[in-house]
Amino acid sequence: GAVVSQHPSRVICKSGTSVKIECRSLDFQATTMFWYRQFPKQSLMLMATSNEGSKATYEQGVEKDKFLINHASLTLSTLTVTSAHPEDSSFYICSARRDLREETQYFGPGTRLLVL
Amino acid sequence: GQQVMQIPQYQHVQEGEDFTTYCNSSTTLSNIQWYKQRPGGHPVFLIQLVKSGEVKKQKRLTFQFGEAKKNSSLHITATQTTDVGTYFCAGSNDYGQNFVFGPGTRLSVLP
Repeated sequence: GAVVSQHPSRVICKSGTSVKIECRSLDFQATTMFWYRQFPKQSLMLMATSNEGSKATYEQGVEKDKFLINHASLTLSTLTVTSAHPEDSSFYICSARRDLREETQYFGPGTRLLVL
Repeated sequence: GQQVMQIPQYQHVQEGEDFTTYCNSSTTLSNIQWYKQRPGGHPVFLIQLVKSGEVKKQKRLTFQFGEAKKNSSLHITATQTTDVGTYFCAGSNDYGQNFVFGPGTRLSVLP
């Protein structure tokens, strides 16, 4: 159990366009979902924490108007990169936590974004 | 703020050799988790340690949580090529806040 999916797995877009990435917990309800960004050969950088039905909590330095997060249900969270620029090109990974007592995070396969 | 460090950054070993990665936190942790990320893949949860001085084993992997709950180690006995990947430790402070990943240790195993 505890499978998390992400869609799309890869996306290429033009500079100035917006891209939406979906994160779904397939076999459990996620009380909390997390969005990370990972640069090549580097660690995971937490961007924001998302709880169903409430506003996401963004980490310092992450622009909330640029990276819009919507956690519409207990199984779905979306990250929209608005007005994308080449420097937004990265590997975006979501993870989900099953319940508040468990800190284990189950990661999605990631979405590779390339902005031209 | 809380910082989590890992050493070494890279490790190349011959297949069959042992490997250890160390994780150190600037603050006391409520728990420590270890993840493995294969090249091109996503992090996969390995284990969580909660108690001071706790030691857990998974086949050839041995995980240890320091007495002061500020450091941890992962030891792999007799590495195999399937052990290749980056090993991350992650933890939150004593108040369950600020869940932070370490920078990872990238392991290469030469056949």
